[in-house]
Amino acid sequence: NAGVMQNPRHLVRRRGQEARLRCSPMKGHSHVYWYRQLPEEGLKFMVYLQKENIIDESGMPKERFSAEFPKEGPSILRIQQVVRGDSAAYFCASSLSGRNQPQHFGDGTRLSIL
Amino acid sequence: QQQVKQSPQSLIVQKGGISIINCAYENTAFDYFPWYQQFPGKGPALLIAIRPDVSEKKEGRFTISFNKSAKQFSLHIMDSQPGDSATYFCAGERGAGNQFYFGTGTSLTVIP
Repeated sequence: NAGVMQNPRHLVRRRGQEARLRCSPMKGHSHVYWYRQLPEEGLKFMVYLQKENIIDESGMPKERFSAEFPKEGPSILRIQQVVRGDSAAYFCASSLSGRNQPQHFGDGTRLSIL
Repeated sequence: QQQVKQSPQSLIVQKGGISIINCAYENTAFDYFPWYQQFPGKGPALLIAIRPDVSEKKEGRFTISFNKSAKQFSLHIMDSQPGDSATYFCAGERGAGNQFYFGTGTSLTVIP
C-alpha cells in the first residue's frame, strides 16, 4: 500500500493517560501534516513537519501536545494527560514538497477518551 | 475564525442532476484551492484543485469555477451518482504557509 498509513485506527484511553498516534507518509514524501477533526466539523490544522524539523506548530495546543518526525521511522503525535475534549479523529497527510502541493491523507486515528 | 466559509451544510440531489457546493474566502494571500471528498470512516481524498490564475478547471464530472474578484469558488458535480454521496470539503492554502484551511464540509446525498 503506497498511501499514508496511520495507526492505530482506533485508540481508547482513560483520562490522564498518554496517547501516541503514528503516521507513515507516502513513499518519497518528506512533508507531514497533522489535522484534527471533530464531529460535523472540518479539519483543523495542528502541525507541519519535515524530517527532524517542526516547521509550523501554530495549530497545536501549547500544553500536552507534541509532534515529531524523526530521521528514521514514522511521525508521532503525542498527547499527554488526555482529557475528554481530546476525543476526535486525528488525520495525518503528506506531500512531496511544501508549496501548492496536494496533501494526501491517511484514514485517521479515532481517539476516544473514557 | 473560519477562514473558508462553505455552503450548503447538506445537499440532496436526484441521480443525474448537478450538485453545486460553494466556498468563499477572505484572505487574499490564498493561492491554492483543493477540494476533498470524504466517506465515513475514511480520510479525505483529493478530488481536484485550482490556482487563482485559472477561472475554471474540469476533471471528468467535476468542475471548479473560480471568481478571484469575488473571492469565491465552487464545485460542480455533473450527472451526480449515488456513489458520489459523501462529505465534500473545500480548502485554501496561504502563500506564506503550508497548512490548509478547510471549510466545514457539505454532506451530499444523491437519491437514485
